[in-house]
Amino acid sequence: QQQVKQSPQSLIVQKGGISIINCAYENTAFDYFPWYQQFPGKGPALLIAIRPDVSEKKEGRFTISFNKSAKQFSLHIMDSQPGDSATYFCAASSGGGADGLTFGKGTHLIIQP
Amino acid sequence: DSGVTQTPKHLITATGQRVTLRCSPRSGDLSVYWYQQSLDQGLQFLIQYYNGEERAKGNILERFSAQQFPDLHSELNLSSLELGDSALYFCASSVGGTQPQHFGDGTRLSIL
Repeated sequence: QQQVKQSPQSLIVQKGGISIINCAYENTAFDYFPWYQQFPGKGPALLIAIRPDVSEKKEGRFTISFNKSAKQFSLHIMDSQPGDSATYFCAASSGGGADGLTFGKGTHLIIQP
Repeated sequence: DSGVTQTPKHLITATGQRVTLRCSPRSGDLSVYWYQQSLDQGLQFLIQYYNGEERAKGNILERFSAQQFPDLHSELNLSSLELGDSALYFCASSVGGTQPQHFGDGTRLSIL
């Protein structure tokens, strides 16, 4: 059972555009939702995270939108740059983030110059 | 650099063998998590330790085990290896509680 569904699998965006990645979860016990960025040969690096008491969180060019009733959350990357080309994973956990993370399958993002 | 150190970076071995993967968490972090990343299963949580004690288990096979030592480093032991165990194994650490997890760069395990 895939508890976190992520789409799209791959995404191509022009430089300067907005990249949008979506995730949906099933487990209502989840209460912590991070996004990770992974470059080839490296481990996932935490980008931004949100808890269900807020509907949006912004850090620089990265924004998480969270819809608790729909059990969906998304990552928006504004003014996308070639250096943003990477694989992005959404994740979820319970225990406020203390528990192990359940990951989506990942989105391979390519930003074309 | 996340501050989480994993060794070795690469490991090549044969079916039926046993290997040990090592993780040194960030300074001050008490909690260690192990994950497996494969093409078909994606990133999966295996097991968590907190201050030397096992805290939670995920999709960890019985052939796999882990421990966290008094100096807080952790080891993941994989035995009776099968071709399907070929994957990237990541360690993550956190201070504990609701603090975020920071990942190392992984150990790539290849079973021949």
